Amino acid sequence: QSALTQPPSASGSPGQSVTISCTGTSSDIGGYNYVSWYQQHPGKAPKLMIYEVTKRPSGVPDRFSASKSGNTASLTVSGLQTEDEADYYCSSYGGSNNLVFGGGTKLTVL
Amino acid sequence: EVQLVQSGGGLSQPGGSLSLSCAASGSRISDTYMTWVRQAPGKGLEWVSMTYTGGNTVYADSVKGRFTVSRDTSKDTLFLQMNSLRAEDTAVYYCARDRGYSLPIWGQGTMVTVSS
Repeated sequence: QSALTQPPSASGSPGQSVTISCTGTSSDIGGYNYVSWYQQHPGKAPKLMIYEVTKRPSGVPDRFSASKSGNTASLTVSGLQTEDEADYYCSSYGGSNNLVFGGGTKLTVL
Repeated sequence: EVQLVQSGGGLSQPGGSLSLSCAASGSRISDTYMTWVRQAPGKGLEWVSMTYTGGNTVYADSVKGRFTVSRDTSKDTLFLQMNSLRAEDTAVYYCARDRGYSLPIWGQGTMVTVSS
């Protein structure tokens, strides 16, 4: 199973919005509504930010939103804050009782 | 509060074996899917395995035949036995509670280094 494709980096200034894309295939992202997004700060375990394409777990700010169109999922962070600077990973059910992750995007808050 | 506490890992020579543990508190491991994910130094996340509530486990091709997941439901503990280790298995290994192919709860991670 190939990894999902994410841009290696993204950036924005405080208060701005930034969108991170995650491209897969019809066998993963396009075939199921099981896309998740994770935030990972250096040396820490990943934190679930979005599940089932658009849903936010309790405690995740509504500045984080997500969507999916065809084989591409997107995470949008609005009103950027310095603490949003982290690595972000997408994942999807891979259709063969597995999960597939994206390569990760390093978000820099300028 | 649901927590996952990991132990084990360390240094192994190529071809050697190591075992990891993942102890759950606040939930029963038999009530949920459990997943192992690893992250090589400076790299992204890689799915390793998924264990269903009945105990059956599916593995990534990269570890199939070398890694085995087991569990002790009386102690709510999941184990990852890693044999025939290779340099490319060097990574931080995380256990995670899987809910509908998303991972809301993660262990703290444990480092595995394979080197001669």
